[in-house]
Amino acid sequence: DIQMTQSPSSVSASVGDRVTITCRARQTINSWLAWYQQKPGKAPKLLINGASTLQSGVPSRFSGSGSGTDFTLTINNLQPEDFATYYCQQTYTFPPTFGQGTKVEIK
Amino acid sequence: QITLKESGPTLVKPTQTLTLTCAFSGFSLTTNDVGVGWIRQPPGRALEWLALIYWDDDERLRPSLRTRFSVTKDTSKNQVVLTMTDMDPIDTATYYCARTIYSSGNSFDFWGQGILVTVSS
Repeated sequence: DIQMTQSPSSVSASVGDRVTITCRARQTINSWLAWYQQKPGKAPKLLINGASTLQSGVPSRFSGSGSGTDFTLTINNLQPEDFATYYCQQTYTFPPTFGQGTKVEIK
Repeated sequence: QITLKESGPTLVKPTQTLTLTCAFSGFSLTTNDVGVGWIRQPPGRALEWLALIYWDDDERLRPSLRTRFSVTKDTSKNQVVLTMTDMDPIDTATYYCARTIYSSGNSFDFWGQGILVTVSS
């Protein structure tokens, strides 16, 4: 299995801040990476696929970058509805594996 | 509009078999490229992929759970069924089904609401 490691595990931020979350794969996955947002009691929501392609309807303040083993999710101008837990997932090979999550909390 | 919904028992005893059904609408599992997967999430923990079945009957199961899990589809009913034998308290989790598109990789673009399954005697 390809291990996915996210950092930090949690981050405190204020509305309007920029937040950056990192995801590292143990081996190269090219650009086969997805990012999800999950709010308490809800199912995950796909934000980004292919490392940088925003899903339809996702605000442009979200962006993804990276390839190979190192990836980044950036949230610009953090909004109240962005406080949630974010997961990365490698979609390169089976079994698909997720990072442990990064919780974005209100400072 | 694409929707998925999980159903099944919310409480099972250790060693019992759990059967979960994912009923979906807005897409078909006879369409090329389409798959439905199962992902679970223990309380307070991360997501764990379990199984996936594609339009062409290709099945993928988590290797570590392969001997306990199976996944089937009923295209006439627009349903996918996950069966898990020999349930253990460690299997307590919210179980989600979700759609995937093969050519987009194994990401999941639409999810069910999830069903919390507790394994306890």
